[in-house]
Amino acid sequence: SQQGEEDPQALSIQEGENATMNCSYKTSINNLQWYRQNSGRGLVHLILIRSNEREKHSGRLRVTLDTSKKSSSLLITASRAADTASYFCATDAGNTGKLIFGQGTTLQVKP
Amino acid sequence: GAVVSQHPSWVICKSGTSVKIECRSLDFQATTMFWYRQFPKQSLMLMATSNEGSKATYEQGVEKDKFLINHASLTLSTLTVTSAHPEDSSFYICSAGTKKNTGELFFGEGSRLTVL
Repeated sequence: SQQGEEDPQALSIQEGENATMNCSYKTSINNLQWYRQNSGRGLVHLILIRSNEREKHSGRLRVTLDTSKKSSSLLITASRAADTASYFCATDAGNTGKLIFGQGTTLQVKP
Repeated sequence: GAVVSQHPSWVICKSGTSVKIECRSLDFQATTMFWYRQFPKQSLMLMATSNEGSKATYEQGVEKDKFLINHASLTLSTLTVTSAHPEDSSFYICSAGTKKNTGELFFGEGSRLTVL
């Protein structure tokens, strides 16, 4: 069953702008992860944030986690056309690797 | 990063036939692999957890006799869609974690099944 909800469902921005995607979940987690999926392809792991962390950076990516609100956000700064993809958050409740995915946000970056 | 290979990347079959999809961890041992299903423009739905040397654990609503999972070695898990029907047409994706169990999963490129 799906436990995550993401918003917006779709986002269209101009190259160079920042893109922010939000994810909410329902149960306690050990970690939350963000993945990227290009159309018709597999998933690429972007970043993992543990339940005791509040913020994490990786290149142009910034992820925040608020366990009190059961929410996370992914910020992509200085977006590029190549960032066009679907982005999913996924939660791992038991550190088992069993991930439950959110509905995803489709990002379009216009050149 | 670790590499997971899926084969075939796409397959078209007739209704009533069975289709096998392979998921291999190429440069690491995966004691656990996960099988997901994704319909167009939707998210990934976990189907089952595949454990090496033991029976797979299926999610609620997933027919184990319909979707046979075998995890015979530490680098290979297979999903067989038996007696496929058009409604089984979907994108099937596997993932695997390393023994370090950092929490990060590595995904295959997916297999698109079309049942005519």
